[in-house]
Amino acid sequence: GQQLNQSPQSMFIQEGEDVSMNCTSSSIFNTWLWYKQDPGEGPVLLIALYKAGELTSNGRLTAQFGITRKDSFLNISASIPSDVGIYFCAGQKRKETSGSRLTFGEGTQLTVNP
Amino acid sequence: NAGVTQTPKFQVLKTGQSMTLQCAQDMNHEYMSWYRQDPGMGLRLIHYSVGAGITDQGEVPNGYNVSRSTTEDFPLRLLSAAPSQTSVYFCASSYRGGALGYTFGSGTRLTVV
Repeated sequence: GQQLNQSPQSMFIQEGEDVSMNCTSSSIFNTWLWYKQDPGEGPVLLIALYKAGELTSNGRLTAQFGITRKDSFLNISASIPSDVGIYFCAGQKRKETSGSRLTFGEGTQLTVNP
Repeated sequence: NAGVTQTPKFQVLKTGQSMTLQCAQDMNHEYMSWYRQDPGMGLRLIHYSVGAGITDQGEVPNGYNVSRSTTEDFPLRLLSAAPSQTSVYFCASSYRGGALGYTFGSGTRLTVV
């Protein structure tokens, strides 16, 4: 079953506010990925993290790979209405013989009020 | 580039019917996967493939079959549709190891009545 706990499940914020969401796991992942899904579309990759402690930014988005390799967080600064959507974290473990598989969190539904 | 193309976008099936969801990618990706998305449960892996001729089961494989005869195509077959298979299905592909993340199709919304 699901191994990633993502929180919060939903957020309602005002335009201009900052947003934080996180994912935790009971097991170690070698890669953390953050995706955004717009209504009626598939998830789109926002940020990929490959090393414990890594902090990576993509515009107003910043994500960190936790030191223990069991967690990650995503921050969005100065939110705008087009930030609305579902944000997913995903962890990846590498198995040399069977390839790599993604495990997804349950998602955070973000609503931004203008 | 078209990326990952899924067809159909919408489908309604009667219980017991079979059908195939199509997925094609034009990026020469080795890895392809099928996920289902249900409210409050994120995306769950059904089947995946690390290359042509190689497939393996994911988290929720029961009731689904896959095959990978070419690098480009990875169809998902529902053998005998059940209402529990009502969901949104996503196909995804990536380069070897998925180190650059997966590219997703736009999904197929399936309703089984």
